[in-house]
Parts: sequence; C-alpha cells; structure tokens
Amino acid sequence: ETGVTQTPRHLVMGMTNKKSLKCEQHLGHNAMYWYKQSAKKPLELMFVYNFKEQTENNSVPSRFSPECPNSSHLFLHLHTLQPEDSALYLCASSQVETPGEAFFGQGTRLTVV
Amino acid sequence: GDSVTQMEGPVTLSEEAFLTINCTYTATGYPSLFWYVQYPGEGLQLLLKATKADDKGSNKGFEATYRKETTSFHLEKGSVQVSDSAVYFCASMNTGFQKLVFGTGTRLLVSP
Repeated sequence: ETGVTQTPRHLVMGMTNKKSLKCEQHLGHNAMYWYKQSAKKPLELMFVYNFKEQTENNSVPSRFSPECPNSSHLFLHLHTLQPEDSALYLCASSQVETPGEAFFGQGTRLTVV
Repeated sequence: GDSVTQMEGPVTLSEEAFLTINCTYTATGYPSLFWYVQYPGEGLQLLLKATKADDKGSNKGFEATYRKETTSFHLEKGSVQVSDSAVYFCASMNTGFQKLVFGTGTRLLVSP
C-alpha cells in the first residue's frame, strides 16, 4: 500500500463505547497529524507528532487520546464521546521540514449515537 | 488569530469555462499559502503553493498568485474539465509553525 491509509472508513459508536482510529503512512514521513472536519466548518488541527513525540495539542478534550508508537503509525483512542464529536477525522503526514506539504488519508467518518 | 476565508459554494460551471475561486487570509506574519483539492471519496491533496509575496503557484492548469497588498490567493483555471469537480480548500501556514489554517472549502461542479 502507498500513501496514507486510515481504518476504519466508517464507525458508529455509542457514548459509552471505547474505540480507536488507526492511521498508517508509507511515505517515509516523520510528522503525523490528526484533523477534525465538521460540516460547514474549517478543518481543525487536533494533534501533531514529530518523530513520535507529541508537539501540539490544540485544546482537544481528554476524551480524545492520541498515540504514536512509531513514525509510520498514529492512533486516536476515543472514549465517552458526545454526539457533537460526530465528524470526519483525517490523518495526515509530512516531513517536519515541509509541514505545509501534507498528505492526507481518506478519513474515518465517525457517528456518535 | 490567523484565518482563511473562501467564497461560498457550490460553484457550478460548464466544461471549458473559466474558473475563479476567491480566497483571502489574515495572518500575523508572512504565511505560506496553499490550495488543496479533495476529490470524491479521497483525502486532501496539495494542488499548489506559494511561499512569498508575488509568487505564483501552478499545477495541472491551475494557478494562484500570492497578493500581499490584498491578502489574497485566488485560484484560477482557464478551462475546467468535468474531472475537476471536487472541493477546493485554501490554507495558510505561518513560518516556523506546523499548523495549516484552512478555509471552509468550495465545492466545484463541472457539467459536460
């Protein structure tokens, strides 16, 4: 596989569930990102990891917990979400030196019921 | 804070028509500017970029010029194709930061 791959593509979860989103990149990049895309709103940067280390958390609620075990994999652990957390969650990667030239995955469409 | 404003969509055009999608930005410094495109069912892809004033980014027949005086980065294409139908996102990034600031996106629909 090439590029940035996200799984699952669709996820429906209850407010008391725990689930995880997975992202994998095969581009040799050393920075990875989570974005949230809600209807009618700009993409919102959630987390940034450089060389597996978290460097940015944009005031994201603790019910979202990221994990980056290596430079190729990124997870977003979800627990006790709210219906307003329903959105498209996008993973992206880049070289640290060129963060504007990001490659995005297709996203996970999350619905919280 | 920094922000990007794009024209509301959808933009509906016939094939071979001229395209303009407006984008303006506010920033504290001198950001780099980007256009990303999202085709149906796919992730965002970088379309073009410009890193300083008066730079012109171009790719696949699309162009955008970094205008500092009007804080704009409008996307243009002389002759659109049906395959250009997608959502187009304008974005900015300040030097030294890793945060892309996106607009809300503009959907383009091109009919044969």
